[in-house]
Amino acid sequence: DAGVTQSPTHLIKTRGQQVTLRCSPKSGHDTVSWYQQALGQGPQFIFQYYEEEERQRGNFPDRFSGHQFPNYSSELNVNALLLGDSALYLCASSQSGTRGYTFGSGTRLTVV
Amino acid sequence: AQRVTQPEKLLSVFKGAPVELKCNYSYSGSPELFWYVQYSRQRLQLLLRHISRESIKGFTADLNKGETSFHLKKPFAQEEDSAMYYCALRAGFSGGYNKLIFGAGTRLAVHP
Repeated sequence: DAGVTQSPTHLIKTRGQQVTLRCSPKSGHDTVSWYQQALGQGPQFIFQYYEEEERQRGNFPDRFSGHQFPNYSSELNVNALLLGDSALYLCASSQSGTRGYTFGSGTRLTVV
Repeated sequence: AQRVTQPEKLLSVFKGAPVELKCNYSYSGSPELFWYVQYSRQRLQLLLRHISRESIKGFTADLNKGETSFHLKKPFAQEEDSAMYYCALRAGFSGGYNKLIFGAGTRLAVHP
């Protein structure tokens, strides 16, 4: 079992561009959550997807959007990138109704 | 407001010394608390959860609702304990929601 897989591992984008990050959950998991971890900070909850719908959202602007596919994989999209969006983006999967989370290694996004 | 506070950014100890990583939380409901660890170049992983009342790698943590604290302790630190430690609070599990609120983290450095 590969656990949670995220791609790409690193990404450099220019301010104003758009970016898509991808996540494949752990086998057997149906729920995907996304977190943003800025340098020197703990992860901050962006949103959670279950049954292809956004179920819960943190305090992030609408520039952050996502999608979940029928195979439970997920994408995080960020539009109109700002320098402050530079961070490590973590995906975590879980099985609905259980308490366990499995984290991916993250995608490091740098906005220049 | 839901918040997790880890007052120390860095805790530096010698091998064999006792360790206590502090965590305080603010939450209006019944809290569910966790400690996550991130070793160098590895993904975030669960260390322990308060509901399990377990000891993992010699670490223990007791939930003190009166002091709203969940400090992580180990009687004798080892060099391999050097890592980043995050305290996290699960908010709103009822209904299957699974959002975690993280503290900023404490870096534990164990010197030989």
